[in-house]
Amino acid sequence: EIVLTQSPATLSLSPGERATLSCRASQSVSSYLAWYQQKPGQAPRFLIYDASNRATGIPARFSGSGSGTDFTLTISSLEPEDFAVYYCQQRSNWPPTFGQGTKLEIK
Amino acid sequence: QVQLQESGPGLVKPSETLSLNCSVSGGSISSHYWSWIRQPPGKGLEWIGYIYYSGSTNYNPSLKSRVSISVDTSKNQFSLKLSSVTAADTAVYYCARHGGPYSNCHFDYWGQGTLVTVSS
Repeated sequence: EIVLTQSPATLSLSPGERATLSCRASQSVSSYLAWYQQKPGQAPRFLIYDASNRATGIPARFSGSGSGTDFTLTISSLEPEDFAVYYCQQRSNWPPTFGQGTKLEIK
Repeated sequence: QVQLQESGPGLVKPSETLSLNCSVSGGSISSHYWSWIRQPPGKGLEWIGYIYYSGSTNYNPSLKSRVSISVDTSKNQFSLKLSSVTAADTAVYYCARHGGPYSNCHFDYWGQGTLVTVSS
């Protein structure tokens, strides 16, 4: 089973700042990595698939990059609604697995 | 717009079987793979298993001996059964659609989730 390690565990930033979240895989997942956003009491929201493709309706301030074992989710300029927990997920190896999450909080 | 809705008991006794349904609207169940995913309170996400409309399934090895997923295409819904539950199975259970024609995939549509507590 592939282990995904996200860092940092918590990121404290202000609206308007740039956020950079990391996801590292225990072995190569090629480009088969997705990102999700989850707010308290809500289901995860699908953001990015195959490392760099935005899902339908996702604002352009969200971007993904990386391949192999190292991936990044970047939010170019934080909006108040972006403060949430973010998870990465790989679909390269069986079973699909998720990272433990990064909490993006308001500074 | 595809919508998923979980339903089932919110409280299950230890050693009994957890049973949940997921109703799909706004699209046919006969076109994608469908999964169950769970999230213990305050923790991360764990994939449980998937089903295809044909009935083919696959389960997380960590739960395989206790999990069964079935589909009812006439009702556009699929179901989860998890046997011999313990307190460790307390979680929010989500149903979700695979975002592509792959058994191992990302998940583009999710239900709102339902909390199942295992307690006597």
